[in-house]
Amino acid sequence: EAQVTQNPRYLITVTGKKLTVTCSQNMNHEYMSWYRQDPGLGLRQIYYSMNVEVTDKGDVPEGYKVSRKEKRNFPLILESPSPNQTSLYFCASSRRETTGELFFGEGSRLTVL
Amino acid sequence: GDSVTQMEGPVTLSEEAFLTINCTYTATGYPSLFWYVQYPGEGLQLLLKATKADDKGSNKGFEATYRKETTSFHLEKGSVQVSDSAVYFCALSDRYNFNKFYFGSGTKLNVKP
Repeated sequence: EAQVTQNPRYLITVTGKKLTVTCSQNMNHEYMSWYRQDPGLGLRQIYYSMNVEVTDKGDVPEGYKVSRKEKRNFPLILESPSPNQTSLYFCASSRRETTGELFFGEGSRLTVL
Repeated sequence: GDSVTQMEGPVTLSEEAFLTINCTYTATGYPSLFWYVQYPGEGLQLLLKATKADDKGSNKGFEATYRKETTSFHLEKGSVQVSDSAVYFCALSDRYNFNKFYFGSGTKLNVKP
């Protein structure tokens, strides 16, 4: 089954404790991206990657890091989480040729105390 | 910069009622336009898209027409069902540089039997 898998789905952590949210896709997609969803703000893009070792900032990259060492994986790293990073996070992937047809994971709800 | 504005929700309708969710956009280039749907507890799914002016996207009884003169992409359905209850997001990406996506804030639709 074609899917984008995120882990963990739910996490409660404390300020400053480094965490990683993993994202993996099994569709051989070149493009992957991360979004955060906040009430009244919709989805905002954090980072995206056009292919292995190629990443770039979205609209809200501050406080986040990413890496793309393998085509299928695109982890989101919070080096020192803060309460304003409490949010619902989505990973998405797409084939380069199918503009706009993003496949989303089920989301990771993160709470930073 | 590019942006998307959606009508605020929630929108509450009775089954078989007509649905319109307004969406307008601001873009500097040549955007492709999309509607995504998010069912409770799930990630977003592509509902329909249009890549150039006057194109009509359609899927599952939903339609939206790309209106360049009014910079709009309103979502319509002639007869909604309870199963259509979800959050609907309007989005755009540049047609030639789809690295970045811009989403509206989402409109929650509640359909009552």
